[in-house]
Amino acid sequence: NAGVTQTPKFRVLKTGQSMTLLCAQDMNHEYMYWYRQDPGMGLRLIHYSVGEGTTAKGEVPDGYNVSRLKKQNFLLGLESAAPSQTSVYFCASTQWAGDTQYFGPGTRLTVL
Amino acid sequence: GQQLNQSPQSMFIQEGEDVSMNCTSSSIFNTWLWYKQDPGEGPVLLIALYKAGELTSNGRLTAQFGITRKDSFLNISASIPSDVGIYFCAGPLSGTYKYIFGTGTRLKVLA
Repeated sequence: NAGVTQTPKFRVLKTGQSMTLLCAQDMNHEYMYWYRQDPGMGLRLIHYSVGEGTTAKGEVPDGYNVSRLKKQNFLLGLESAAPSQTSVYFCASTQWAGDTQYFGPGTRLTVL
Repeated sequence: GQQLNQSPQSMFIQEGEDVSMNCTSSSIFNTWLWYKQDPGEGPVLLIALYKAGELTSNGRLTAQFGITRKDSFLNISASIPSDVGIYFCAGPLSGTYKYIFGTGTRLKVLA
């Protein structure tokens, strides 16, 4: 039981490049979340999903897109990376709203 | 965006000392979660609280769900060097699928 995994762990992009971050969970959780963490800002919600095939915007969704084609996977895409998207990205999942959230190890993204 | 207020923001303590930190909100919560984050890692759940007044322990850690449901407290007894890290409180916003997080308490333990 791996819990929540994220790939890649590190990535460096040039401005304007695109990439996809993958989150996978093996706990059969319904809800999945993408956060970004910046120094002094805490965790901020980018997008979330309440089930397979659903997505919704969080607090800071601009510049990101997501997809949840399979229950166990939640993908975060950056179509045209900007330096302001340099951050550490965390995925999390939970079985039901209000339950404990479990986090992945994070992806450290640098946009030059 | 909305955040939970944690205090203190950071603290240096001597090994063996007890540590207390708290988290407050202007909104009522039905669940309080406490996490620890080590450098370069994701937050790891320490304690989950589901009922007002609840007091729950996990080894040397004890957390309490405030009676008003607007606050929570975390205590660490007899701190050791591996307690170093950032401690976050978190809770789900009532009526939504979203969680909000505290700004974190950075703990440094002096051996």
